[in-house]
Amino acid sequence: QVQLQESGPGLVKPSQTLSLSCTVSGDSISSGSHYWSWIRQPAGKGLEWIGRIYTSGSTNYNPSLRNRVTISVDTSNNQFSLKLSSVTAADTAIYYCARTSRGELFDYWGQGTLVTISS
Amino acid sequence: DIQMTQSPSSLSASVGDRVTITCRASQGISNYLAWYQQKPGKVPKLLIHAASTLQSGVPSRFSGSGSGTDFSLTISSLQPEDVAIYYCQKYDSVPLTFGGGTKVEIK
Repeated sequence: QVQLQESGPGLVKPSQTLSLSCTVSGDSISSGSHYWSWIRQPAGKGLEWIGRIYTSGSTNYNPSLRNRVTISVDTSNNQFSLKLSSVTAADTAIYYCARTSRGELFDYWGQGTLVTISS
Repeated sequence: DIQMTQSPSSLSASVGDRVTITCRASQGISNYLAWYQQKPGKVPKLLIHAASTLQSGVPSRFSGSGSGTDFSLTISSLQPEDVAIYYCQKYDSVPLTFGGGTKVEIK
């Protein structure tokens, strides 16, 4: 059973960097079978794809966030991570990590973690 | 970038009704279209990919159709457990983009 679990601070100050990790179990990031994505959802709003990473470290980002986003992978710990810099209140959201089948479809999701941007 | 527009944004129907949600792409995406269901307080679940292929375990009352720019998700007989927000998602190329969602409620 594939499981993903997000972890990281639930509160980040404006202008700082949001950092989250996603630990994968039941699948191996290094197998190269899938991509791995971050998606966010502000309260009461829709889903926004942030970006994806492949086992090689190759990334694709949403152009709306590209200047502030970095996604990295740690195959030794079967984890991938998100960094979002210069955050504002508009970045307050539930952040999900998801396995991305063929790089296209989100077939397994973490439970999500709420990150609030506030001083 | 291609934009995905869903309609309606919300609907209310009776148990047993046939419900149809539409999703329009601002440019053609062939059949690279998926549908997700997000029940209240839950994580989104992949229902359909390739516009019309049901994921394993998804009830047959769900169906998808369309190609190019216009797509639809139909629930043939609405059940109480179908109360959710439904999102379309294009995956012809990055960025992977979701529609704004359609909230389905029981009347």
